[in-house]
Amino acid sequence: KQEVTQIPAALSVPEGENLVLNCSFTDSAIYNLQWFRQDPGKGLTSLLLIQSSQREQTSGRLNASLDKSSGRSTLYIAASQPGDSATYLCAVTETSGSRLTFGEGTQLTVNP
Amino acid sequence: GAGVSQSPSNKVTEKGKDVELRCDPISGHTALYWYRQSLGQGLEFLIYFQGNSAPDKSGLPSDRFSAERTGGSVSTLTIQRTQQEDSAVYLCASSDGQGAARPQHFGDGTRLSIL
Repeated sequence: KQEVTQIPAALSVPEGENLVLNCSFTDSAIYNLQWFRQDPGKGLTSLLLIQSSQREQTSGRLNASLDKSSGRSTLYIAASQPGDSATYLCAVTETSGSRLTFGEGTQLTVNP
Repeated sequence: GAGVSQSPSNKVTEKGKDVELRCDPISGHTALYWYRQSLGQGLEFLIYFQGNSAPDKSGLPSDRFSAERTGGSVSTLTIQRTQQEDSAVYLCASSDGQGAARPQHFGDGTRLSIL
């Protein structure tokens, strides 16, 4: 059974810092990996999707990398801002189906 | 265009009652998913619809849970004889293609509280 783990569970940083969120998964037979953002009381907003054949994806200040063989992904946020405060979720889709398997999330607070 | 819409946004009901949760996917999206987000359990897959294919119900936690999708668009998740452990946020997502290649777009969810 696929398990997804995110470290750290919570992170508090001052504005302007660069930071890295970590995600690991136990079964490397994934189809893709997706990073989401969730604001309190809201649904999930897709940030980046990396196909299994890709190594990284970039969108603005966000960069996600994927090392499928080692079962790891990182989300790099450059020059963090208070508006980046949210919970960040990592999820994988396995080749056996289209369902997403989620990690528990990292709760990020960026202090002004 | 409009995103995934879910209703109601909040639902409070007594234990033992039946509830229906509704999801309107993004127009033209053929795939529709239901997930549940509860404290201590994270986000769990419930059910997946793709076009006219038989749904993948493997994530439904018990036979009290059922879902249907009419006309390939709107979906309803029904929970019968609700229990307190059913309290959670129920999230719906849709995507525009078959299989896992397309990103899933989520609604804001229905927060269900069972008294």
